[in-house]
Amino acid sequence: EVQLLESGGGLEQSGGSLRLSCTASGFTVTNYAMSWVRQALGKGPEWVSGISYSGGTTYYADSVKGRFTISRDNSKNTLYLEMNSLRVEDTAVYYCASSGGPNVLDNLDYWGQGTQVTVSS
Amino acid sequence: DVQMTQSPSSLSASVGDRVIITCRASQTISTYLNWFQQKPGKAPKLLIYAASSLQSRVPSRFSGSGSGTDFTLTISGLQPEDFATYYCQQSFSTPLTFGGGTKVEIK
Repeated sequence: EVQLLESGGGLEQSGGSLRLSCTASGFTVTNYAMSWVRQALGKGPEWVSGISYSGGTTYYADSVKGRFTISRDNSKNTLYLEMNSLRVEDTAVYYCASSGGPNVLDNLDYWGQGTQVTVSS
Repeated sequence: DVQMTQSPSSLSASVGDRVIITCRASQTISTYLNWFQQKPGKAPKLLIYAASSLQSRVPSRFSGSGSGTDFTLTISGLQPEDFATYYCQQSFSTPLTFGGGTKVEIK
């Protein structure tokens, strides 16, 4: 069974840092692009960042560019999101999602259960 | 960025009804349009990809159509487990963007 398990969320002060991880089981992430998508309470999903299957190409939403860094370790079947200079508006549930192919534009077909990130002022 | 606009934002329907949700893109996106279903406290679930292709293990009462800028999601014969929020999402270009959602409620 394909599973994605996020971890690393929590409560952090504005200006602080957090590192999220997403570990896959039931499949090998090597051939698939991956993304982080967040969702604030009562709002729709917002794509945050994506990374190609090899890790060679990364993409960011303007709202996080320069503050967040996506990376992956295919040997560990794990995706990461380093979040710096956190803002109150970064508060959300963060999901990792795998694409159905090697490109970030491929379908987001598997999602984790999400990890809550709360940034206080 | 491609802006996605869904309508209606909410609707009330009864079991067995046919429900149609529309999504409009701010620029042409060919058929790079996906539909998701989300239930409270759960992650979004992919229903339809490439505008009209049914994701594996998704019931055939769900269907999608459209191309260019205008798309629809149709649920033919609404079931109790279909009451949820539905989102469209474009995969034409980054940043990937989602519509504002349509909440399907029980009448």
